[in-house]
Amino acid sequence: NAGVMQNPRHLVRRRGQEARLRCSPMKGHSHVYWYRQLPEEGLKFMVYLQKENIIDESGMPKERFSAEFPKEGPSILRIQQVVRGDSAAYFCASSQGSRANVLTFGAGSRLTVL
Amino acid sequence: ILNVEQSPQSLHVQEGDSTNFTCSFPSSNFYALHWYRWETAKSPEALFVMTLNGDEKKKGRISATLNTKEGYSYLYIKGSQPEDSATYLCAFDAGNNRKLIWGLGTSLAVNP
Repeated sequence: NAGVMQNPRHLVRRRGQEARLRCSPMKGHSHVYWYRQLPEEGLKFMVYLQKENIIDESGMPKERFSAEFPKEGPSILRIQQVVRGDSAAYFCASSQGSRANVLTFGAGSRLTVL
Repeated sequence: ILNVEQSPQSLHVQEGDSTNFTCSFPSSNFYALHWYRWETAKSPEALFVMTLNGDEKKKGRISATLNTKEGYSYLYIKGSQPEDSATYLCAFDAGNNRKLIWGLGTSLAVNP
């Protein structure tokens, strides 16, 4: 069981480019969560998805950010026209169900915007 | 605004010392309280999920208690070892679509 797989682990983008971060949940998990950790801050919830559905995106900036979890393939967090303030570690977690289930985290993707 | 506070922010102890830290959370709309352990350069790993007032959970030398009426949880480590060095995070779960509210963590360093 490979756990939660995130790639790339490190991504460097210039301002204005697009960043795509991928997350494959643990086998058997159908719930995916994206978190962002900004420097000197804790984990901040961004979005919660089930297969083909966004359940809660209240933590996601309204512009430039989008997330999907298609029927086939990994969940993708997409950041368009990146700015320096988007530089952060982005963690994906998955769980079996939505009520008081343990989250299994991936190793994170560190985005650096030059 | 829901707020989760953890104290102390950081802690240095000697190998063999026992230690504990606190997580404070809202006492209303409680569904569950999570504890995670986050080692440097790794990802957070679940320690406990606690749901009932008065719950006590134990995993090896680490244990946790829960008081939902007053809104706090304690994490205890007995006989700390250098491999216990990590950041310990708690997260409050109000049951609303899994939007966990995370504390900033307690950073523990155990000196050999």
